[in-house]
Amino acid sequence: NAGVTQTPKFRILKIGQSMTLQCTQDMNHNYMYWYRQDPGMGLKLIYYSVGAGITDKGEVPNGYNVSRSTTEDFPLRLELAAPSQTSVYFCASNLAPARSYEQYFGPGTRLTVT
Amino acid sequence: DAKTTQPPSMDCAEGRAANLPCNHSTISGNEYVYWYRQIHSQGPQYIIHGLKNNETNEMASLIITEDRKSSTLILPHATLRDTAVYYCIVRAGANSKLTFGKGITLSVRP
Repeated sequence: NAGVTQTPKFRILKIGQSMTLQCTQDMNHNYMYWYRQDPGMGLKLIYYSVGAGITDKGEVPNGYNVSRSTTEDFPLRLELAAPSQTSVYFCASNLAPARSYEQYFGPGTRLTVT
Repeated sequence: DAKTTQPPSMDCAEGRAANLPCNHSTISGNEYVYWYRQIHSQGPQYIIHGLKNNETNEMASLIITEDRKSSTLILPHATLRDTAVYYCIVRAGANSKLTFGKGITLSVRP
């Protein structure tokens, strides 16, 4: 199993540009999450999904959109990038709650908006 | 979910036990204590979790006080590879979301 994979690893965007951060997991997990981590801070939840076709907002959803058309993929869309979105983005997944307490994280995408 | 308090940093010598404290004085009866760690900007990694009994796995031990208001993560024989940020998280079962604070930075010195 590759686990949780994220692409790209690094990206530089200009203000106002858009991009999609890709996240894929091959563990057949129902639950998937997007977090951002600013320098020296903990992770903050952006969006999460409890299954294909179901998404919900986390703590900091403004400026982002998500979709979940398959169990495996959970892309994060940035529209009109702003310098405040410069951060490291982590995708994570886990099984349905009754079956697993462990959340698996991807390696992260480092995004700079200038 | 209950809030946790951790000191910002600590260090220990390689080969010695590292005891990482966490306070969670407002924890409620159905909330679990989780520990994750993050090595040098990699994605966080699950270590261990518990409700009220002490727990041990191949990575660490978790000691929870009888009143459940604090806990200690123990790395029995710390290595240089254990240098990381360790997050103590209180969570009402696997169904609720993880809330990461700033964690405690553990530095293992040779």
